Amino acid sequence: RKEVEQDPGPFNVPEGATVAFNCTYSNSASQSFFWYRQDCRKEPKLLMSVYSSGNEDGRFTAQLNRASQYISLLIRDSKLSDSATYLCVVFTGTASKLTFGTGTRLQVTL
Amino acid sequence: DVKVTQSSRYLVKRTGEKVFLECVQDMDHENMFWYRQDPGLGLRLIYFSYDVKMKEKGDIPEGYSVSREKKERFSLILESASTNQTSMYLCASRAGGSGNTIYFGEGSWLTVV
Repeated sequence: RKEVEQDPGPFNVPEGATVAFNCTYSNSASQSFFWYRQDCRKEPKLLMSVYSSGNEDGRFTAQLNRASQYISLLIRDSKLSDSATYLCVVFTGTASKLTFGTGTRLQVTL
Repeated sequence: DVKVTQSSRYLVKRTGEKVFLECVQDMDHENMFWYRQDPGLGLRLIYFSYDVKMKEKGDIPEGYSVSREKKERFSLILESASTNQTSMYLCASRAGGSGNTIYFGEGSWLTVV
């Protein structure tokens, strides 16, 4: 089993739709979680950190479920500019290790 | 804003050549990383460094070496480039601590012919 798993997609959604991605992780000792966005041929950039209580930033909501070992990202009212690959990142403190998922591709269409 | 700079953005090298990829960060971060990213494989860690002159192998260190003589600079070296090292290489830096995010450079696109 991979340490961090994501559905590669693509998720094709119309503008205005709500879309959700999940990311599962295998190490129960993982401490910190992040969502990154990566545009085609560009570097990944931080979208948001994921807190235990869940957090929201505008149209984006991130949640953590420690019991089931997954994090989620919800995007409401999708925009064309949201089209990108979304990477899940997990930090495991015991090994000081950051592990990246392979990403979920989102394509928002008119 | 954190700035991670990769000086070489696009390179074409011949098989067997020695290749240097340079990375500089301006935020006094302890940790620096080199990844490569290939379609379908995601980001794979080549080497990382916790401090000056310290280095640790990542998941795919074979064929690579690194140098960290100064805190702000982390170099990736391909001793003898091969065609299977054609990839996008991403440098990153991060402050110590569990909650700190990682910041990436813009990437270096290397083609080995």
